[in-house]
Amino acid sequence: DARVTQTPRHKVTEMGQEVTMRCQPILGHNTVFWYRQTMMQGLELLAYFRNRAPLDDSGMPKDRFSAEMPDATLATLKIQPSEPRDSAVYFCASAEGQSTDTQYFGPGTRLTVL
Amino acid sequence: GQQVMQIPQYQHVQEGEDFTTYCNSSTTLSNIQWYKQRPGGHPVFLIQLVKSGEVKKQKRLTFQFGEAKKNSSLHITATQTTDVGTYFCAGRLNNAGNMLTFGGGTRLMVKP
Repeated sequence: DARVTQTPRHKVTEMGQEVTMRCQPILGHNTVFWYRQTMMQGLELLAYFRNRAPLDDSGMPKDRFSAEMPDATLATLKIQPSEPRDSAVYFCASAEGQSTDTQYFGPGTRLTVL
Repeated sequence: GQQVMQIPQYQHVQEGEDFTTYCNSSTTLSNIQWYKQRPGGHPVFLIQLVKSGEVKKQKRLTFQFGEAKKNSSLHITATQTTDVGTYFCAGRLNNAGNMLTFGGGTRLMVKP
């Protein structure tokens, strides 16, 4: 049963520390999305990649956030330095790459920045 | 900017009652998807609607896509406690590639 995996599942850190979240998309999926979910803002798209190239990262604060795909099996989202307002659940999702595709979400990383 | 609005934000129902959530976009959508997120879980795909006026059913769930492809609804008949969760619509703008714009979600709570 193919699934998107994310690590870590939970992260508690102190303000100013670097945070790296990892995602393994479903094998064969060429499109990867990063979302942030909070009670106040709901589900926000941060960035998305197709064939490892970033297509849109307009939803991402550029000064502290960065997203990469070092290879087809790994996507990373990094926050440096982290701030309390970054506390949220970060979801990765992957899709096969067609415009009508379903997005398959990972279990998320729950980040708490103290 | 483009927004997809969903109402209501919250809905409490008694088990056995019906439930409907509505999704509205300011611009035409090429297609719309619905997702369900259980408490503590992640969004899971339910269905996709593509054609104007399309209606699809999954057991007690009925999904509709408006004639103008700017609105959609999800109706649950005779809710059960297993229906608890947040229901999101997600619209794909024309020429937006794979990007989905998610509505704010409707959180459904069912009293047994």
